[in-house]
Amino acid sequence: QKEVEQDPGPLSVPEGAIVSLNCTYSNSAFQYFMWYRQYSRKGPELLMYTYSSGNKEDGRFTAQVDKSSKYISLFIRDSQPSDSATYLCAMSESYQKVTFGTGTKLQVIP
Amino acid sequence: GAVVSQHPSRVICKSGTSVKIECRSLDFQATTMFWYRQFPKKSLMLMATSNEGSKATYEQGVEKDKFLINHASLTLSTLTVTSAHPEDSSFYICSATSTSGSTNEQFFGPGTRLTVL
Repeated sequence: QKEVEQDPGPLSVPEGAIVSLNCTYSNSAFQYFMWYRQYSRKGPELLMYTYSSGNKEDGRFTAQVDKSSKYISLFIRDSQPSDSATYLCAMSESYQKVTFGTGTKLQVIP
Repeated sequence: GAVVSQHPSRVICKSGTSVKIECRSLDFQATTMFWYRQFPKKSLMLMATSNEGSKATYEQGVEKDKFLINHASLTLSTLTVTSAHPEDSSFYICSATSTSGSTNEQFFGPGTRLTVL
């Protein structure tokens, strides 16, 4: 079993839709949870960062962490074509090693 | 925001040659730098973790003698792929964490695409 599971997609949605991206994990020691966005042939950029369980909102993006279920989500409201990218969940126990999901490719259709 | 650069962005080399990739933190000092490898439609795979002035810690299955890492200063780490072969062709990405702050946010470079002919 992989430490982090993420559906690779692709996920296609119409512009304006609410997008839901999810990851599950098996390591109960993970405390830090991140979502990265990666455009084609570019390095990942951090979108959201959450410590432990709970919700965090930043503009159109909302990150949720449910440690009891070992499940994290990223919601994108009013999706735009510019949101088309691969979204990677990531998590870590401490300051150092981060474990990434495989990424979900999202396409927002105008 | 913190910026990490990588050079070169793309390199094509012949089999058997060595290639050096530089990773620089431009506006902050990096406590730790990480080197990842990413295959198409695959996740980032951590290759090694390097701290300034000390030997890199390699992940299981990563050949130390093939992937040489030097973290000479708080703003520069280099990855040298020695005697490169076609199977080493990949997208190599570095990241860095800052010496300041309380989070473990990693700032990623733009990546280097290596093609070995």
